[in-house]
Order: sequence, then C-alpha cells, then structure tokens
Amino acid sequence: QKEVEQDPGPLSVPEGAIVSLNCTYSNSAFQYFMWYRQYSRKGPELLMYTYSSGNKEDGRFTAQVDKSSKYISLFIRDSQPSDSATYLCAMTLYNNNDMRFGAGTRLTVKP
Amino acid sequence: NAGVTQTPKFQVLKTGQSMTLQCAQDMNHNSMYWYRQDPGMGLRLIYYSASEGTTDKGEVPNGYNVSRLNKREFSLRLESAAPSQTSVYFCASTGTDNSPLHFGNGTRLTVT
Repeated sequence: QKEVEQDPGPLSVPEGAIVSLNCTYSNSAFQYFMWYRQYSRKGPELLMYTYSSGNKEDGRFTAQVDKSSKYISLFIRDSQPSDSATYLCAMTLYNNNDMRFGAGTRLTVKP
Repeated sequence: NAGVTQTPKFQVLKTGQSMTLQCAQDMNHNSMYWYRQDPGMGLRLIYYSASEGTTDKGEVPNGYNVSRLNKREFSLRLESAAPSQTSVYFCASTGTDNSPLHFGNGTRLTVT
C-alpha cells in the first residue's frame, strides 16, 4: 500500500462545475499538507498549504484536512478551462526531507 | 524572476552513458532537492541538500550522485545511465523547513 493514495483520474468536468479532489494517507504523523498544480510540461506550483486539521480558503479554492480520517480534499468552485492541469497532494512530517506526494489527478475543464 | 532553472530541458542517452543535470536557484534558498516523476508514482526524492556543503540520500538514491557546488547550484549526475532512469527530473528549493517547495520546469530524460 502506498503511503499517499490519490485517484489518478482522468477527471473531466464542464466549466462552472465544482471539482472535488482527494487524497488518503496512512501515516498519522503527517503534519503539513499541500496541494500543487502542474500544467503540462511544467514543474509543480504551490496552490494551497495547510497545517494540521481544518479548512483553508483562497479565492475559488478550498483545502480541507481531516486528520482523524487521514483524508485531505481540494475543492475548486466555478471551475475554469485554465484550471485544467494535474493536481498533486503532498504531505510532510517536520521538514521537506520527508515529503510524500500523491501520484496526481489529471483534471480537464471543458468550455 | 527566474526562480529555479534546470538544464537541459531534454536529453536522450544510451545505456551506460553519463551525464549531469544542472540546477540553479536565485532565491537565496538554503535547501535544494532532486526529484524524479514517473507515471503513477508521483514525485520521489532522490537526494537533497539542507545547506551548502551537505547532501543526503532520499527515497531513491541508487544510480545517482549529487554535488552542492555553492548556495545557488545543485547538480545531479548519472554515472552509467540505465533504461530504468528514464523519467522527468525536477529540482526544487526552499528557504526553511516546512516551507513550500519551488520547482523548476524539469529535465525530460530518455535512456535507450
């Protein structure tokens, strides 16, 4: 079993839809949780960064962490074609040397 | 506003050949990292350097060596390339522990 599980998709939605992306993990010691967005032929770029459990909102994006269930989510409201990318979840213990990434979910938002 | 710069962008090697992947950052970051990205596997850490003059193994170090040349530059060397090293290689940097990583745009390596 992988330490971080993420459904690779692909996921295709119409423009304006609400998108839900999820990851589960097995190591209860993870403390810091991130979502990265990766466009084709580019490096990952940070989208959301949270510490421990709870919600964090930034514009159309909301990140949720449920440590009791070992489950994190990213919600995208009013999705746009420019949101089409691969979304990677990542989590770490105390420093980035221990960071673990999900395999990524490929999202396509159709106009 | 360069951030993290990787060279080359693409490379094709034959089995047994050697090459060095270059990475430089202009953000005055202390820590630098080398990852490989394979389909269905996510990003896996090869080596990292917590500060100038130090390097440590990550999750998948076999077949690779690294050099932290100075604070800006961190190179990854394949001494004898194997087809299993066909991958996309990303360099990343960060200023402090637990701060988000800043990634370059990758080197796409094919070993035949």
